[in-house]
Amino acid sequence: DAKTTQPPSMDCAEGRAANLPCNHSTISGNEYVYWYRQIHSQGPQYIIHGLKNNETNEMASLIITEDRKSSTLILPHATLRDTAVYYCIAGNTGNQFYFGTGTSLTVIP
Amino acid sequence: GAVVSQHPSRVICKSGTSVKIECRSLDFQATTMFWYRQFPKKSLMLMATSNEGSKATYEQGVEKDKFLINHASLTLSTLTVTSAHPEDSSFYICSAELAGVGTGELFFGEGSRLTVL
Repeated sequence: DAKTTQPPSMDCAEGRAANLPCNHSTISGNEYVYWYRQIHSQGPQYIIHGLKNNETNEMASLIITEDRKSSTLILPHATLRDTAVYYCIAGNTGNQFYFGTGTSLTVIP
Repeated sequence: GAVVSQHPSRVICKSGTSVKIECRSLDFQATTMFWYRQFPKKSLMLMATSNEGSKATYEQGVEKDKFLINHASLTLSTLTVTSAHPEDSSFYICSAELAGVGTGELFFGEGSRLTVL
């Protein structure tokens, strides 16, 4: 799997958009970008994934740069329940997912 | 979404005993499941890949005789921590791939917290 790098921590005001960056400069052509989050003492929760195009679902939007070397997860209106550690993973079907250190997002009231 | 269940969610055992943790995919079949462990304030560390009907593949540095993995059916994988010691205390998490979708999306269990006294 490609190595990903993320800032260790970020703060975001409640109700504002949270933009979480991820670098995956060594991603290969057939690897997807996945985002998961983990709330304390729970299993990771799937958020979104994409290959080349930007993606949006009910939880978030994923913006992938044209060269695919980086991406940004956008939580459009952060709530206190979005406080969690967010992990960006570059991986592929059937292959192991290796977690980096993630970004600890704190949503501030 | 697909549901992965782990049992038990918490277990406390004495040093030297063995503990079995179950991982079940409740509403889908999973030919491949993955086992992770996580120490406090640390990221998830992949331990092994569990393949239905075959031997598990262990990551470098993970003792296969210490952490026995069995994937006897398409909906169940088990992790047995043998002769547990306090340093084995950790949060163990399994995940399963939703086969057939083609994008490798993984679903995770809620984790099992093991405390070895």
